[in-house]
Amino acid sequence: AQSVTQLGSHVSVSEGALVLLRCNYSSSVPPYLFWYVQYPNQGLQLLLKYTSAATLVKGINGFEAEFKKSETSFHLTKPSAHMSDAAEYFCAVSDLSGGYQKVTFGTGTKLQVIP
Amino acid sequence: NAGVTQTPKFQVLKTGQSMTLQCAQDMNHNSMYWYRQDPGMGLRLIYYSASEGTTDKGEVPNGYNVSRLNKREFSLRLESAAPSQTSVYFCASRNSGTGVSFDQPQHFGDGTRLSIL
Repeated sequence: AQSVTQLGSHVSVSEGALVLLRCNYSSSVPPYLFWYVQYPNQGLQLLLKYTSAATLVKGINGFEAEFKKSETSFHLTKPSAHMSDAAEYFCAVSDLSGGYQKVTFGTGTKLQVIP
Repeated sequence: NAGVTQTPKFQVLKTGQSMTLQCAQDMNHNSMYWYRQDPGMGLRLIYYSASEGTTDKGEVPNGYNVSRLNKREFSLRLESAAPSQTSVYFCASRNSGTGVSFDQPQHFGDGTRLSIL
């Protein structure tokens, strides 16, 4: 069974500081991994996805994530936080289960950016 | 670009009342999903539809029914609402195409915020 663990339900960073949001996965097969962002009162939007083509994945809004198989991790980073980055971030893992794409979401990390 | 549209955006019900949440997508996607989002629990799958004419239970289906009316529309019905069903409900769709495509992301609507008193 696949699972995703996001360490830290709340993360606070100062504007301009490094953003690091942690995600560890468990999957019996090579995983497909996603990061989504959710702004207040909106649905989830895709930030980036890992599909085995490259271990370092670049997404929208300056975010990137690195797939590390040895650590079963897919942490999300951004060099310099902006106020507009304040949102909730979800890591998700996808594989085939029972004939359909089963997506398991983490419990989310709320990012606060302090001016 | 409408994407995935959910109606209504907000709803307050009394215990025991019924209602249907509507979802429509204009991206010609085969697969559609209903999730509920509760604080600290992430998203939990209620039902999904891999293609038009098929529906299957997710991890929390009790108290809900769904209908895949056509390729565009996937509705979620609460027959007898309970306070435990107070939540934010999200519909999503995905381009599954022919064969398996694990890397296709899901596209989400903006949610329906449902309160049951």
